[in-house]
Amino acid sequence: NAGVTQTPKFRILKIGQSMTLQCAQDMNHNYMYWYRQDPGMGLKLIYYSVGAGITDKGEVPNGYNVSRSTTEDFPLRLELAAPSQTSVYFCATTLDRANEQFFGPGTRLTVL
Amino acid sequence: GQSLEQPSEVTAVEGAIVQINCTYQTSGFYGLSWYQQHDGGAPTFLSYNALDGLEETGRFSSFLSRSDSYGYLLLQELQMKDSASYFCAVRGAAGNKLTFGGGTRVLVKP
Repeated sequence: NAGVTQTPKFRILKIGQSMTLQCAQDMNHNYMYWYRQDPGMGLKLIYYSVGAGITDKGEVPNGYNVSRSTTEDFPLRLELAAPSQTSVYFCATTLDRANEQFFGPGTRLTVL
Repeated sequence: GQSLEQPSEVTAVEGAIVQINCTYQTSGFYGLSWYQQHDGGAPTFLSYNALDGLEETGRFSSFLSRSDSYGYLLLQELQMKDSASYFCAVRGAAGNKLTFGGGTRVLVKP
């Protein structure tokens, strides 16, 4: 089992460009989350989903969109990238609400 | 809203004991979790406390006092590989999500 996978591992965007960060899991978990982590800081929740077809905003949703059409996939869309979105993005899943979350390896995004 | 406070950095020598404190403010409370993150890596789950008291998992223990809105992570017999950042996270009223603290960087010296 691959667990939680994220692509790409690294990406450099120009201001105003758009991209989709991919997250996939083969753990059959219902709950999925997107976080961003700025250098030396904790994780901030962007969006989360409690099941296919259901998404909700987290703490810092502005500038991002998500969709959850299947249990396995939870892509994060950045529209009109800005330098403030330079960060490391982690996807996570959990079976039992938020007790133990399993994280993907992260995507390191730089917006120039 | 929810907020958590933990020290930014702790330094200790191999074999020592380190205690990382975490105080939280939250509307509703389900439990307190701890995660470890090595530089350049992803967070990994260490422990979860829903009830008052001490939970022990090998060299690591986690404590919770709900009445004091306080918990700590205890790292015993420190090893070089324990050098990492440690995050407390609270599961609050919403229940479906975690709010993370800013992290404590632990540096283990020989």
